[in-house]
Amino acid sequence: EVQLVESGGGLVQPGRSLRLSCAASGFTFDDHAMHWVRQAPGKGLEWVSGITWNSGNIGYADSVKGRFTISRDNAKNSLYLQMNSLRAEDTALYYCVRDPYYELLTGYLDQWGQGTLVTVSS
Amino acid sequence: EIVLTQSPGTLSLSPGERATLSCRASQSVSRSYLAWYQQKAGQAPRLLIYGATSRTIGIPDRFSGSGSGTDFTLTINRLEPEDFAVYYCQQYGSSPLTFGGGTKVEIK
Repeated sequence: EVQLVESGGGLVQPGRSLRLSCAASGFTFDDHAMHWVRQAPGKGLEWVSGITWNSGNIGYADSVKGRFTISRDNAKNSLYLQMNSLRAEDTALYYCVRDPYYELLTGYLDQWGQGTLVTVSS
Repeated sequence: EIVLTQSPGTLSLSPGERATLSCRASQSVSRSYLAWYQQKAGQAPRLLIYGATSRTIGIPDRFSGSGSGTDFTLTINRLEPEDFAVYYCQQYGSSPLTFGGGTKVEIK
């Protein structure tokens, strides 16, 4: 069974940093590109960032470019999102999501974690 | 980036009725790379349809997708109680990935 388990969310002050992690199991992790998608409270879905299987291609939404860094450790079956200079508008549930393809960042999203909540507030 | 507009925002229907959800793109979606997701309250989204028309494994055949270019439709025949949820479309034909704003299907 495919499992994606996010962790690392919490309450953080504006301007501070947070690192999210996603532990993957039940599939061959390095056969897939991976993404982070977020959902602000009561709002829709927003793609945040994606990374191909070997980290050779990485993409970011304009709203987080220069502040967030995505990475992965295939040996640990883990995906990460380093979030710096956090703003109130980054408050959201952050989902770790699997892409069925491995070498592009343009895929549909076939498996989702349950999300980790990030709240940016003073 | 491709902007996706979903309509209507809310659809009020009774169990057994047919739901027709629209997703319109600001420019043509390459190779009909359009997906649909279902999200129930308090749950993560679930993939229903990819490639505009292909149902993912385990999705009942009352769900069907159609369309190409800039106009896509998700049809749910004979609504079941578990189908009342929010539905999102997503294009993956070009970067960045983008989602529509969602359509809520609620019980009338």
